[in-house]
Amino acid sequence: SQWGEENLQALSIQEGEDVTMNCSYKTYTTVVHWYRQDSGRGPALIILIRSNEREKRSGRLRATLDTSSQSSSLSITAAQCEDTAVYFCATDLSGSWQLIFGSGTQLTVMP
Amino acid sequence: GPKVLQIPSHQIIDMGQMVTLNCDPVSNHLYFYWYKQILGQQMEFLVNFYNGKVMEKSKLFKDQFSVERPDGSYFTLKIQPTALEDSAVYFCASSWGTDYTFGSGTRLLVI
Repeated sequence: SQWGEENLQALSIQEGEDVTMNCSYKTYTTVVHWYRQDSGRGPALIILIRSNEREKRSGRLRATLDTSSQSSSLSITAAQCEDTAVYFCATDLSGSWQLIFGSGTQLTVMP
Repeated sequence: GPKVLQIPSHQIIDMGQMVTLNCDPVSNHLYFYWYKQILGQQMEFLVNFYNGKVMEKSKLFKDQFSVERPDGSYFTLKIQPTALEDSAVYFCASSWGTDYTFGSGTRLLVI
């Protein structure tokens, strides 16, 4: 598959903590998308980082991309209960219109 | 922001029957997609569609599956006949460039 990790990961943290989720990918891509999926809903894009960017910030979110190691991370600063969701990374396969998703991380933020 | 609407949100159908899932994509998007998600697992690409044609499809897009968008109306996924293993949530998406928008999904249960 496109991604190194196949199983849904689970992370549980306390409100106010910082958390980082990681993804690694196997084939060349020019952009990494990070989505969150709330229970019963479709994925919603939260941050997108391109191959010419090493870091991208949006509010409490920070994404990094290391094209040499083909990995990306998503960090959430001072997590809040409403950050509880499944977080997926996804890439556009070069030369393809497919958006390929990783297995995701179920993040639970407890009060 | 602009939304992708999926109808119906839930569908229960007898094995062997036909089902049609409907999607109203974002109005200025030109690429359309169907993804399949089994509970707790990652989103899996089924097919993409552009200019009235299937551009790419995965191994999950069985011969019993078909897609169309007649005269700019709904983008549809038809399964005929359905099988038990088709039970899943089906997400429609549309895109323009790297801007992908997903619907909330149709939960299909084949019994």
